[in-house]
Amino acid sequence: GESVGLHLPTLSVQEGDNSIINCAYSNSASDYFIWYKQESGKGPQFIIDIRSNMDKRQGQRVTVLLNKTVKHLSLQIAATQPGDSAVYFCAERVGVRRALTFGSGTRLQVQP
Amino acid sequence: GAGVSQSPSNKVTEKGKDVELRCDPISGHTALYWYRQSLGQGLEFLIYFQGNSAPDKSGLPSDRFSAERTGGSVSTLTIQRTQQEDSAVYLCASSSPGQGFEDNEQFFGPGTRLTVL
Repeated sequence: GESVGLHLPTLSVQEGDNSIINCAYSNSASDYFIWYKQESGKGPQFIIDIRSNMDKRQGQRVTVLLNKTVKHLSLQIAATQPGDSAVYFCAERVGVRRALTFGSGTRLQVQP
Repeated sequence: GAGVSQSPSNKVTEKGKDVELRCDPISGHTALYWYRQSLGQGLEFLIYFQGNSAPDKSGLPSDRFSAERTGGSVSTLTIQRTQQEDSAVYLCASSSPGQGFEDNEQFFGPGTRLTVL
C-alpha cells in the first residue's frame, strides 16, 4: 500500500551548517509533495512543495529535490538556525485525492 | 488574519464516553481536513470536506468516528464510545479552492490533544 517514510528519525547539526532531511515514498502515482515543519505544541507549517514534473524547487534558504527514479525526496536547509529546530514531515498526494499521506517525521536539532 | 482555530485545546475523557472536537477554518476556505497524530508519529488522514460535495471519509478508522461541517464553515469531529487507542492530537486544516490540478496550501490549526483514560 501507500507509504511515506523517513530515513533518519533525528538529525543534529551545528548552527550555520546545511541540513539535509530525506524521505522515501513508495507510491509511484504520487504527483505532489510537500514539506512541513512542526514545532512543539503547534500544527504543521507549510515549508515548500514540488510537483512530480519538477526535480528541484528553491525557496528562501530551503530547497526540495525530487528523484522519481528512486522515489526519494529531500529537504535542504541552508545556514541552519536555532529557529529551524522542529520535526519535519514530508507528505505526498495522489492526483485528485486531496488528502495528504504523511511520513513519520525527522526531528532536527540545531546546536548553537 | 485569523488562522484555523480548534477547541478544546486539551480534552481528557473516560473510556466509553463520547467527545466532540471543533474546528473553525479560515474564512473563505472551502476545503477542510481532519487528521490524527499519535505520539511521535506522522499525521493520519481522517476526513475531507470540499464545498457541497460528499465528504471523503476514507480515512475514518471505525464507525465510532464521524464528522460534519455545518454551513460550509465550522466542522465537528465526534468520537463515540472512546477507546484508549483514540488518544492522539486531532488536527484540522483548511485550504482555499484549488486552481485546477493543485490545491492551495493547507493551513493547520494547533490541534486538540485527546487523552482517553
